[in-house]
Amino acid sequence: AQTVTQSQPEMSVQEAETVTLSCTYDTSENNYYLFWYKQPPSRQMILVIRQEAYKQQNATENRFSVNFQKAAKSFSLKISDSQLGDTAMYFCAFMKIPNTGNQFYFGTGTSLTVIP
Amino acid sequence: GAVVSQHPSWVICKSGTSVKIECRSLDFQATTMFWYRQFPKQSLMLMATSNEGSKATYEQGVEKDKFLINHASLTLSTLTVTSAHPEDSSFYICSARWRGSSYNEQFFGPGTRLTVL
Repeated sequence: AQTVTQSQPEMSVQEAETVTLSCTYDTSENNYYLFWYKQPPSRQMILVIRQEAYKQQNATENRFSVNFQKAAKSFSLKISDSQLGDTAMYFCAFMKIPNTGNQFYFGTGTSLTVIP
Repeated sequence: GAVVSQHPSWVICKSGTSVKIECRSLDFQATTMFWYRQFPKQSLMLMATSNEGSKATYEQGVEKDKFLINHASLTLSTLTVTSAHPEDSSFYICSARWRGSSYNEQFFGPGTRLTVL
């Protein structure tokens, strides 16, 4: 079974500063995807960034980047130049390949508040 | 991008009644849809996997007779909460797997807030 752990229930960051959200996971799979999802107050789940485990290069999407350490099973999210609109719950998620079953395995989430 | 809708977005019902929630993939075909439940300030918990044309697969601890799932077409899955009680009050989210994606990408609906009085 896969487990995803987010050890920071709540975090805050000053606007324009940088913040890093932690995520670790446990799996015996060799091929998988990792995701960060954002859930703002509207509750709509929004994909922030995706990392394929077989790619060594860390994924980057504008102000969002990840530090993927496969051996350590760590997948942290760095948000640069934080904006007020980044305030949300952030969920780390795991999906094995091939995904013939279902399934996202979600972490417990980190509530991020960007302070003006 | 792919869009998944849910209807209704918010529903209040009396205890003992049944409520149906629809999940639609608007611009793509979804062979598989997933139903999640989310309590306040908690993570998403997978309830069941809905496959078009076959019976849903329920996660351990989820009562299949209480949470009826029907996936009648490649764009529609429904979740019916039967004989709802206050403890069923929650936020229900569906996601749809895009069959055309190389990695079976999933797209989430906006969720349905159920309040049982």
